[in-house]
Amino acid sequence: EAGVAQSPRYKIIEKRQSVAFWCNPISGHATLYWYQQILGQGPKLLIQFQNNGVVDDSQLPKDRFSAERLKGVDSTLKIQPAKLEDSAVYLCASSLEDTDTQYFGPGTRLTVL
Amino acid sequence: AQSVAQPEDQVNVAEGNPLTVKCTYSVSGNPYLFWYVQYPNRGLQFLLKYITGDNLVKGSYGFEAEFNKSQTSFHLKKPSALVSDSALYFCAVRDRNQGGKLIFGQGTELSVKP
Repeated sequence: EAGVAQSPRYKIIEKRQSVAFWCNPISGHATLYWYQQILGQGPKLLIQFQNNGVVDDSQLPKDRFSAERLKGVDSTLKIQPAKLEDSAVYLCASSLEDTDTQYFGPGTRLTVL
Repeated sequence: AQSVAQPEDQVNVAEGNPLTVKCTYSVSGNPYLFWYVQYPNRGLQFLLKYITGDNLVKGSYGFEAEFNKSQTSFHLKKPSALVSDSALYFCAVRDRNQGGKLIFGQGTELSVKP
């Protein structure tokens, strides 16, 4: 069974630029999550989707971050404009339902200069 | 508020010795508890989880964890450590009443020396 796919794996941008990350969850998984992992910390949930609807985006900085999952499968996370403090690894995870085990992708390491 | 604490930033053990990585949590009600492992430049890999039932949970790669409700702890253990176990370990909790959101600890770096 294929795991969670993410791209790109690495991205370097300058502050105030825009960036987008892509995630393809495990086939059949209804729930998709985006986490932010700052160096030296545990992952923090940014947004949770159930199919194509948002379940929890309470910790998403909505003035600069946006995410969508239009067809209930793939998802994109966008940052516009980026700040230095956005440097982190962005992890995508998926689960069959929200009560099931979450499986993580390899992450996208973002560096904002 | 929900929280997870991993009191040790780093744990060092010799190969073949038992290892313990500590985790305590604070959540209202009965939680779901998880352990994940992270190797360099890779995502988190699921090790094991506690949902209900037996307090001793067995997981991947010979790891196990013991749920202790009175001490609100969920320590990760392995009887005999391998050099290949060296990695970053994360404990996580999910409130049964708050959907899928995982709250993670800050991680513990495990180093196993030959």
